[in-house]
Amino acid sequence: AQTVTQSQPEMSVQEAETVTLSCTYDTSENNYYLFWYKQPPSRQMILVIRQEAYKQQNATENRFSVNFQKAAKSFSLKISDSQLGDTAMYFCASFYQGGSEKLVFGKGTKLTVNP
Amino acid sequence: GAGVSQSPRYKVAKRGQDVALRCDPISGHVSLFWYQQALGQGPEFLTYFQNEAQLDKSGLPSDRFFAERPEGSVSTLKIQRTQQEDSAVYLCASSFGVASYEQYFGPGTRLTVT
Repeated sequence: AQTVTQSQPEMSVQEAETVTLSCTYDTSENNYYLFWYKQPPSRQMILVIRQEAYKQQNATENRFSVNFQKAAKSFSLKISDSQLGDTAMYFCASFYQGGSEKLVFGKGTKLTVNP
Repeated sequence: GAGVSQSPRYKVAKRGQDVALRCDPISGHVSLFWYQQALGQGPEFLTYFQNEAQLDKSGLPSDRFFAERPEGSVSTLKIQRTQQEDSAVYLCASSFGVASYEQYFGPGTRLTVT
């Protein structure tokens, strides 16, 4: 079974500081994608960043970047210059190309950005 | 609107009632997914459609859960004889292609069974 583990149920950070959210995953597949989604209280899941497993270069999207360690099956999210609007649940997820066409999510990390 | 929409946003049902949850995917999207998100948990896969064909229903928790997408666009998730453990947010997502990892989510329906 494919699994995604987020070991930090809650985290907090001061506005303008940097925070890193952790995620590990388990797979024997070669062709897969990893994601970080943000879910604010409105419940709408918003894609933050995506990483293709075949790419060695870590993905970046403005203030968001990942540290993808393929051998260690680790996929952490770094948020720089944290803003109050970053307060949300963050979910790590995986997708395996050629398998069941579903996202597998971790349990999430609740991030609070304090003023 | 251009996004995935779901209705109703909130539903309260008495135990034993049947409910129907609707999902309108992004126009032209081939694939449609339903996920169940229990309180404090990540979403869990329920079922997947490619056009009108239900290709995977391995995540449906019991035979009380039924999903359909008869014309390959709008989908309905039906839960018969609701039970308290069915209380959750039900998320719908759609994607443009087949086997597409780029899934766009709707706002979800929060179901509370009393």
